[in-house]
Amino acid sequence: QQQVKQSPQSLIVQKGGISIINCAYENTAFDYFPWYQQFPGKGPALLIAIRPDVSEKKEGRFTISFNKSAKQFSLHIMDSQPGDSATYFCAATHDYKLSFGAGTTVTVRA
Amino acid sequence: GAGVSQTPSNKVTEKGKYVELRCDPISGHTALYWYRQSLGQGPEFLIYFQGTGAADDSGLPNDRFFAVRPEGSVSTLKIQRTERGDSAVYLCASSFTNTGELFFGEGSRLTVL
Repeated sequence: QQQVKQSPQSLIVQKGGISIINCAYENTAFDYFPWYQQFPGKGPALLIAIRPDVSEKKEGRFTISFNKSAKQFSLHIMDSQPGDSATYFCAATHDYKLSFGAGTTVTVRA
Repeated sequence: GAGVSQTPSNKVTEKGKYVELRCDPISGHTALYWYRQSLGQGPEFLIYFQGTGAADDSGLPNDRFFAVRPEGSVSTLKIQRTERGDSAVYLCASSFTNTGELFFGEGSRLTVL
């Protein structure tokens, strides 16, 4: 049973545009929500993370929005660049065991 | 290097064979994890070590899978009697504590023919 549902499966955005990826979870015990970025042939790398006591966290062009009541969170990539083309995974945990979404492949067209 | 190192990067084997996948974590990281990533999917948890002991092996699919970390550093994932369904990328990660900030290696791609 997938504990974190992620959408869309893929998206294409023009350079300079905004990419939005959405995730939903069921387990209310989850208290840490990281996003990982993965390039082909590489392992996932932590991009940004949030805890449920805040509704938004911004790091550079990357922003997480968190809606605790709806049990949803999203990643916004502002001013998307070709180098952002990768697969993005949302995840959630309440201890050491990360539950990952299925991933979103983002393609940024120059 | 400073990152998590995994060997081999690619392994092709025949059905029924035994394989070992090695992980060398970041120095000083006490927590070590194995995940499995199938094509087009997110990583799935296999096992978690805190020090030398397996604190949680609930993600191992069956008893053909086993992992060790005898000295609290390097870990080996062992798969007996491999099956075609075992084909995947096996990812190792480490962290200072049992937090969500995991540092992943590049993975070992296992192909069972």
